[in-house]
Amino acid sequence: GENVEQHPSTLSVQEGDSAVIKCTYSDSASNYFPWYKQELGKGPQLIIDIRSNVGEKKDQRIAVTLNKTAKHFSLHITETQPEDSAVYFCAASTVGNQFYFGTGTSLTVIP
Amino acid sequence: NAGVMQNPRHLVRRRGQEARLRCSPMKGHSHVYWYRQLPEEGLKFMVYLQKENIIDESGMPKERFSAEFPKEGPSILRIQQVVRGDSAAYFCASSPVGDGYTFGSGTRLTVV
Repeated sequence: GENVEQHPSTLSVQEGDSAVIKCTYSDSASNYFPWYKQELGKGPQLIIDIRSNVGEKKDQRIAVTLNKTAKHFSLHITETQPEDSAVYFCAASTVGNQFYFGTGTSLTVIP
Repeated sequence: NAGVMQNPRHLVRRRGQEARLRCSPMKGHSHVYWYRQLPEEGLKFMVYLQKENIIDESGMPKERFSAEFPKEGPSILRIQQVVRGDSAAYFCASSPVGDGYTFGSGTRLTVV
């Protein structure tokens, strides 16, 4: 089955700096890569996703890049704000099947 | 659109009792997934259902756990004879065909 690794497990940045979270996957058949943000006591919220026919996708301060050859994908958050503090999960799947999640990155944005 | 609705939000059960967790998917979503999250850990897949069908239950423990998604009504995750190790947050997600999940707010099960 698929194996998703996520790094770092914790990340602290100053407000206004950028944050980068990286994930690798093992199954070359995976073709859908979402990122979720989970705040304390809440369910994960989809923040951005990318499909394998695309190398990069951007939505305001958030961007995701995908390198299919190397089997890794990354989340980039620019101009971080305190409300970006949360746990972020990456995932990999083939469309219509279960998601394989990374173990999460706890991001703290220091005001 | 009310989103994915899970209830109850918190559930306390004594060892040996049964726990029933409910999930109503978003309107128009025909796929339901259940995940378990232990403290400080990621989300582990349990089961994937469509109406009246279990598509993939490879993540479900072989005993005490069952899931259904009837033609009418919510999806139910049922845990019989709960043990302390079942204490976790259980999340349900729904999706239309071929798209990302929307998660509910979860049910936090505590076994005492």
